[in-house]
Amino acid sequence: AQSVAQPEDQVNVAEGNPLTVKCTYSVSGNPYLFWYVQYPNRGLQFLLKYITGDNLVKGSYGFEAEFNKSQTSFHLKKPSALVSDSALYFCAVRDGVRTTDSWGKLQFGAGTQVVVTP
Amino acid sequence: DVKVTQSSRYLVKRTGEKVFLECVQDMDHENMFWYRQDPGLGLRLIYFSYDVKMKEKGDIPEGYSVSREKKERFSLILESASTNQTSMYLCASTPSLGTGGTDTQYFGPGTRLTVL
Repeated sequence: AQSVAQPEDQVNVAEGNPLTVKCTYSVSGNPYLFWYVQYPNRGLQFLLKYITGDNLVKGSYGFEAEFNKSQTSFHLKKPSALVSDSALYFCAVRDGVRTTDSWGKLQFGAGTQVVVTP
Repeated sequence: DVKVTQSSRYLVKRTGEKVFLECVQDMDHENMFWYRQDPGLGLRLIYFSYDVKMKEKGDIPEGYSVSREKKERFSLILESASTNQTSMYLCASTPSLGTGGTDTQYFGPGTRLTVL
C-alpha cells in the first residue's frame, strides 16, 4: 500500500523568506511523486513531479522539490516566497510498479496550508 | 492545454435527492477519477474509470455510483444524498499508462456540494 504524510497543517512564512513544505511517503516499489497546489475555490494545479533521474526537480512558479530516497521524503521548496504563493499544497505518490490494480491511482496527503505574510 | 470541466461550481440539494455531478475532459484521456476533498483529510478517491463503461471502486465508494458512457464524460451519482456527503468534489483525468502517460492528473475546478 502507498501512503503520504504532510506533517504540518499550516506553514507561515514572511514574504521574501524561504518556503519549505514537507512530505514523506511510503511505497513498496520506486515512487512517482507529485506536488499540486490549490488556490481558494479552485481545482488542483500540477506543480512538479519526480519519476526518475535528478533528485532535484524544478517546477512551475519557481518551486522545486528534492527527492531523498533514504529519508523517503519529497519536500517542496521555494527560495523566496511571495504573498501570491498562499494556497493549499498537496503531495501525492503512486507506486512505480504498474499493475492492473493501480491504473494511475495517486495517494494524496492531507494538505498543507501555506500563508505568506507581507 | 488540457481542460477538465465540471457541470456546477456550487450545488445545494436536500437529503434523499438523487444528485448527478458531471465531468468532461477534452484531451482524449483514458483514465478519469472522482475525488472528494474534506479539510484535514486531503483528497480521497471515490471511483475511477480506465475505459468507457469500465469503473473501479476507490477508497470510499459507499453511497456513490458512476457512469462512463463516452470517453470524455464521467458522471458521479449520489443515489440518495445525505448530509455527510456535503463536500468538495473534484474530477481528474490522465492519459493511459500504456501510452506513456506519467500519471500527471489534470483536475477540474471542483463542485462544492451542500446537502441540507
